[in-house]
Amino acid sequence: AQTVTQSQPEMSVQEAETVTLSCTYDTSESDYYLFWYKQPPSRQMILVIRQEAYKQQNATENRFSVNFQKAAKSFSLKISDSQLGDAAMYFCAYPGDQGGSEKLVFGKGTKLTVNP
Amino acid sequence: DTEVTQTPKHLVMGMTNKKSLKCEQHMGHRAMYWYKQKAKKPPELMFVYSYEKLSINESVPSRFSPECPNSSLLNLHLHALQPEDSALYLCASSPTLRSSGYTFGSGTRLTVV
Repeated sequence: AQTVTQSQPEMSVQEAETVTLSCTYDTSESDYYLFWYKQPPSRQMILVIRQEAYKQQNATENRFSVNFQKAAKSFSLKISDSQLGDAAMYFCAYPGDQGGSEKLVFGKGTKLTVNP
Repeated sequence: DTEVTQTPKHLVMGMTNKKSLKCEQHMGHRAMYWYKQKAKKPPELMFVYSYEKLSINESVPSRFSPECPNSSLLNLHLHALQPEDSALYLCASSPTLRSSGYTFGSGTRLTVV
């Protein structure tokens, strides 16, 4: 079974600085996608960034980038120039399956606080 | 339209009530999902409706029942709920999960009294 582990329940960062959130996963597949979702207090889950496993290049979306280490099964999220609006729960996710239907397997999440 | 719309946003119901949550998307996605999320926890899958086939998480009690009237609409019927069912209920849809991930609705905050 696929599993996703986020080992940092909480992180904090000063505004304008950089923070990295960790995620590891377990799978026997060779080609797959990985996702980071953001859930602010408004509670809507928002897709931040995705990474395709067979692509060597790390994905980047503006201030958000990933460090994808396929052999180590590591998928960390780097947030540069942190802003107050980045404060949220961040979930790492992997597309697994449920009785033959696909489902997202989530890590337990990391709560990010941004200090002014 | 690139949204998943959930109604109502908030719901308070008694343990003897029957209510329904509604989820709608007009993106042509063929898979829709209901998740339950408790505070400070990740979402837990309840139901998947994909290509006209319903998959159920066997741990979900029968007081929750999904209904899919058409490919754009997924309802969740609630009956005789317990206080521990109070949570955020999230609906999501996807065209192809593996590459696209989900598009989530903003959720229904349910309180059972």
